[in-house]
Amino acid sequence: AQKITQTQPGMFVQEKEAVTLDCTYDTSDPSYGLFWYKQPSSGEMIFLIYQGSYDQQNATEGRYSLNFQKARKSANLVISASQLGDSAMYFCAMREGPGRGKLQFGAGTQVVVTP
Amino acid sequence: GAVVSQHPSWVICKSGTSVKIECRSLDFQATTMFWYRQFPKQSLMLMATSNEGSKATYEQGVEKDKFLINHASLTLSTLTVTSAHPEDSSFYICSARAGSLRDTQYFGPGTRLTVL
Repeated sequence: AQKITQTQPGMFVQEKEAVTLDCTYDTSDPSYGLFWYKQPSSGEMIFLIYQGSYDQQNATEGRYSLNFQKARKSANLVISASQLGDSAMYFCAMREGPGRGKLQFGAGTQVVVTP
Repeated sequence: GAVVSQHPSWVICKSGTSVKIECRSLDFQATTMFWYRQFPKQSLMLMATSNEGSKATYEQGVEKDKFLINHASLTLSTLTVTSAHPEDSSFYICSARAGSLRDTQYFGPGTRLTVL
């Protein structure tokens, strides 16, 4: 069964606008970590943001914030003030367990930022 | 910090030959590294978990005799695709786990393998 679901295969966003990328997850483990990665056309995976299951506050890293709704099992990424360089594939991932666990990735969302 | 390098970035080889890909953590020690494969327009598929000083753990359906993994030190893991065939052509990407509460994996830039 799919553990990480990203329902948006692709989306366009205008420069300087905010965009929300959806991610829902499925786990029965009380301890888990949620990650977002960005993959530009060059291929490298760039770590953006992390949210632990026990974290009380939503994670933020610069223009990235994670809207963590634990009861709904969602971990949406919000990119504020989009820039042309934000055009990329974005992957949500989950690590089950307190550590040492492997990552499970969603299918990804392709974001295209337009001028 | 947390830089991972991968070499080569691309390789073209003939069918039947073996190809070695290196993954290095440059500024941290990584007891665990991971190898992924990614087909165009698809997500990453975990192939194996590489542990320093011990045998790799392969995911179901991944042939361990075809994809040889060696984690010789705390900063180096290698993936050797043995007797490569055109269907092995893919984007291979490694990651190294930084020892922290977050357990974040940092990725290398990937290797594009084309087997003719």
